[in-house]
Amino acid sequence: DAMVIQNPRYQVTQFGKPVTLSCSQTLNHNVMYWYQQKSSQAPKLLFHYYDKDFNNEADTPDNFQSRRPNTSFCFLDIRSPGLGDAAMYLCATSTGLQETQYFGPGTRLLVL
Amino acid sequence: QKEVEQDPGPLSVPEGAIVSLNCTYSNSAFQYFMWYRQYSRKGPELLMYTYSSGNKEDGRFTAQVDKSSKYISLFIRDSQPSDSATYLCAMSRMDTGRRALTFGSGTRLQVQP
Repeated sequence: DAMVIQNPRYQVTQFGKPVTLSCSQTLNHNVMYWYQQKSSQAPKLLFHYYDKDFNNEADTPDNFQSRRPNTSFCFLDIRSPGLGDAAMYLCATSTGLQETQYFGPGTRLLVL
Repeated sequence: QKEVEQDPGPLSVPEGAIVSLNCTYSNSAFQYFMWYRQYSRKGPELLMYTYSSGNKEDGRFTAQVDKSSKYISLFIRDSQPSDSATYLCAMSRMDTGRRALTFGSGTRLQVQP
């Protein structure tokens, strides 16, 4: 089945220790997104790629970076995680021709 | 004021009840409207997708959009305990070329057996 896959599902890191979260998709969608979702809150868009074009949200901290080496993969790098970065990180994709987004299962990040 | 408002709940109903979930929004440029279901500690799953005003039905689920009132609804008939989840409304606009969704904060639904 075509899907959006995120690894790992759970990630524990130490304060200030860089961490990378991974997303892959078999949908062959042009657009890939990264969202941060904290408990009982709406997903907050961090950035998205339309093909290779990177689009950063204005309020996304510099601590968050992303890479998309090819159509199928996208990575979220958190350079120096703080306690406030503990959250669920969601990857989503869309064709770009319509706005329906398909989400992966998420990676839950814990910062100690 | 948030662009999309959604009552956080929790909304608790008995099994078999009809559930009504709602969102209001302030930006008339929104044209695409979605409902996502999110189980605890999982990613959102697309339930319904509508364009502009009108109704759309899929099994036990009906989505309604009233653009004149800036109000969207999701109805769940014959609710089941497996429907217990958080329901997120989401909407998007094409006028600026943005591809991002604007989400409501979600309504937590509990269906009691």
